[in-house]
Amino acid sequence: EAGVVQSPRYKIIEKKQPVAFWCNPISGHNTLYWYLQNLGQGPELLIRYENEEAVDDSQLPKDRFSAERLKGVDSTLKIQPAELGDSAVYLCASSLEGRSGEAFFGQGTRLTVV
Amino acid sequence: QQPVQSPQAVILREGEDAVINCSSSKALYSVHWYRQKHGEAPVFLMILLKGGEQKGHEKISASFNEKKQQSSLYLTASQLSYSGTYFCGTESFGSRLTFGEGTQLTVNP
Repeated sequence: EAGVVQSPRYKIIEKKQPVAFWCNPISGHNTLYWYLQNLGQGPELLIRYENEEAVDDSQLPKDRFSAERLKGVDSTLKIQPAELGDSAVYLCASSLEGRSGEAFFGQGTRLTVV
Repeated sequence: QQPVQSPQAVILREGEDAVINCSSSKALYSVHWYRQKHGEAPVFLMILLKGGEQKGHEKISASFNEKKQQSSLYLTASQLSYSGTYFCGTESFGSRLTFGEGTQLTVNP
């Protein structure tokens, strides 16, 4: 069974440019998460989906970040425009049992904004 | 609110034991433990739920003291493969899962 797939693995962009990350969760997993991880820190939740509904997006900086999960399967996270402080690893995870179940993480996208 | 992990880092020799602690200032519903190797995705180890239920791997053990809002992860007879950063995540009623800053474990031959 394939795990959580994210692309791209690495992305370098100039500040003020847009960027998008893609995530394909494990088949059958209704819960999907986007996390941000800074170097030496634990993951921080940006948004959680239950199927196609964003049920927790309170920590998503909505002035520049947006996310969508069409048809309740794969998801896209976008930043527009990117700032230097957005440099981090963006992790996608999915879960079968919702918020209190085991989460399976993707390899992440390492974003560098220059 | 972010849980506090201790120690921040620990170095072991293969075969030694280690304990990693996680504490919160809020009443907890669940505690989640993950291990992350450098450049890789976090990998699930265990979930401990209020009321005593545990879900996890057989070789990893942990405790959850609901009254003290603390959890401890026990790594016995450590192997080289145990090296990595261990994160605890805590979940309170009505709030999201929040991860600590991690404990870096290094197991040397």
